[in-house]
Parts: sequence; structure tokens; C-alpha cells
Amino acid sequence: GAVVSQHPSWVICKSGTSVKIECRSLDFQATTMFWYRQFPKQSLMLMATSNEGSKATYEQGVEKDKFLINHASLTLSTLTVTSAHPEDSSFYICSATQGVTPYEQYFGPGTRLTVT
Amino acid sequence: AQKITQTQPGMFVQEKEAVTLDCTYDTSDPSYGLFWYKQPSSGEMIFLIYQGSYDQQNATEGRYSLNFQKARKSANLVISASQLGDSAMYFCAMRRMIYNQGGKLIFGQGTELSVKP
Repeated sequence: GAVVSQHPSWVICKSGTSVKIECRSLDFQATTMFWYRQFPKQSLMLMATSNEGSKATYEQGVEKDKFLINHASLTLSTLTVTSAHPEDSSFYICSATQGVTPYEQYFGPGTRLTVT
Repeated sequence: AQKITQTQPGMFVQEKEAVTLDCTYDTSDPSYGLFWYKQPSSGEMIFLIYQGSYDQQNATEGRYSLNFQKARKSANLVISASQLGDSAMYFCAMRRMIYNQGGKLIFGQGTELSVKP
């Protein structure tokens, strides 16, 4: 089956530093990748949609300059949280589709970010 | 605009009994897909079941079935013969279908299901 990986699975960083999260489709080419953010006991909130080779489309209220998304290839998308602050601490989940079937949406295992 | 509503923050069910998790949605799109996901404490999102807006029959996958009532805009998940391992957060989600391909998923607030032994 289609597998999506995320790296790292958890990260702790100091306030003011930047952290990069990778999302990879391991056995398929992902035409579209999505980034979600989830606070404890809450729902997944879509942050942005990215297509390979083009700029990401951010959801309303998401700071483009703070959450940099790059989808450089059909198997890799990265999310960089710049100048992280404690309020950025959250669970970040990516998902990917290859546009073959209507119901596919393959999720990564998530990355837990803690900013101290 | 699309919207998904789950009105049950938490549910309890006795092991081996059936449970229904509610989901209502709102959309003006004629073509859309409805999903249910399970999220255990580990955080991974596990796909359970899918229903297309034009599907005539309710979707079923093992112990999971989706009670799709299009006129009422509801897509309730029924879990039969609950097991202790079913304890988790459950999310209902919807996506617009464009040329039979999916767009972004919009999630409901989630329902935390606890199965009692």
C-alpha cells in the first residue's frame, strides 16, 4: 500500500530557532501534499496545499512567512517553521495523494513539535 | 463553503455492542466524498471508510458501515461489535470532488470513543 513517512517524529527546539519537517511518499508519486496542524484533543486544521513544482496554497489565517512549504519533487515536501515560538508547539501531519482514486489520502505518522 | 459537524465530543460503549457516531455536513457542491478516520493515542490517522455523494448504497468495511442520508446531509459511522481497541478519536471528513479527483479534506471536531470492558 501507499506509505507516507515524516521526519523527525518528534523534535524539541528553542524559541527563535527554525525547524524543518520532511514528508515523503515512499512508494508512489504524490501530485499533491497537504499539511495539517493539530492541537491536543482538537481537530486537524489544514495549513496549506502544495503541488510539485509550484507555490503552496495557504489557508486563511496561516502565516506564509512563518510556515514555509516546499514541494521540490513528487516524493518530498518540507515544512519549515521559522522563528518558532512556544505557541507553535503542536502535532504536524502531512498527507499525500497521487490523484488516481477519489478516496485516497495517505497520511504520515505526524511530527510532534515542542518549542521551549 | 464546506462544513463538517460532529456534535458528540465523547461517547462510551460497552464491549461487543454497536455504537453510532454522528456526522452532519454542509456543502453546495454536487460531487463530494465523505470519510471517517480513526486516530488512536499514537496520532496516526487510520482510514476507515469512504462514501461518494453519488454512491447509491451505503459503504461498508468489515465492522464499519456508513449510514449515508443525503437529504439530511448526514453520514453517521456505525461500529458493530465494539472492541477495546476501538477506543480512539474518530473524525468525519469531507472533500470536494473535481473531475473525480479529490481536493483538500475538511475535518469535523472529532468524537472520542471509549469502549468499556
